[in-house]
Amino acid sequence: EPEVTQTPSHQVTQMGQEVILRCVPISNHLYFYWYRQILGQKVEFLVSFYNNEISEKSEIFDDQFSVERPDGSNFTLKIRSTKLEDSAMYFCASSDAAITDTQYFGPGTRLTVL
Amino acid sequence: DAKTTQPNSMESNEEEPVHLPCNHSTISGTDYIHWYRQLPSQGPEYVIHGLTSNVNNRMASLAIAEDRKSSTLILHRATLRDAAVYYCILRDLYNFNKFYFGSGTKLNVKP
Repeated sequence: EPEVTQTPSHQVTQMGQEVILRCVPISNHLYFYWYRQILGQKVEFLVSFYNNEISEKSEIFDDQFSVERPDGSNFTLKIRSTKLEDSAMYFCASSDAAITDTQYFGPGTRLTVL
Repeated sequence: DAKTTQPNSMESNEEEPVHLPCNHSTISGTDYIHWYRQLPSQGPEYVIHGLTSNVNNRMASLAIAEDRKSSTLILHRATLRDAAVYYCILRDLYNFNKFYFGSGTKLNVKP
């Protein structure tokens, strides 16, 4: 069964450094998402992406964040200058909304900012 | 986002049925009812969804009230692997942009 994959599984970085989190969505999906979950808290929507542009973003997704689909398979989340409060699990998801509207989530990347 | 209300936690015995309730009194006519679950240390996982009629799949059943203001996720025989946080989410038919995750119901399954 196709699945969403994410790399790395765990990323440790120093405050102020840039990080790029990578995701490979399911191949025939057209809608892509990033969510985050701070330890012990709710899953929070960050951004959705369709047709090579952002379709919606939350207030969390400020100028420090960006997303890109650099090729036909990868979907990335970049944080330009990490802060301590960016420490969280980051989940990528994809869907083929035209058919099932089901979002398939990856296993997540744990980001630790020191 | 239309809101849902779920109990914070529930407990079940292994191999017994579990009924997880969700209230969504402000649901609109174009909102689908989705259920996801999150096993410990994993990403959310799709369980089931429906609009008006009751739905069954290999994982669970979804019972939707006639007025659609509430729904119940039914696990027919709980296993230890079903211990997770279960989220009831409303999704507009015409908005593919996001899911709003509430606090969900933490299900504990006792052997």
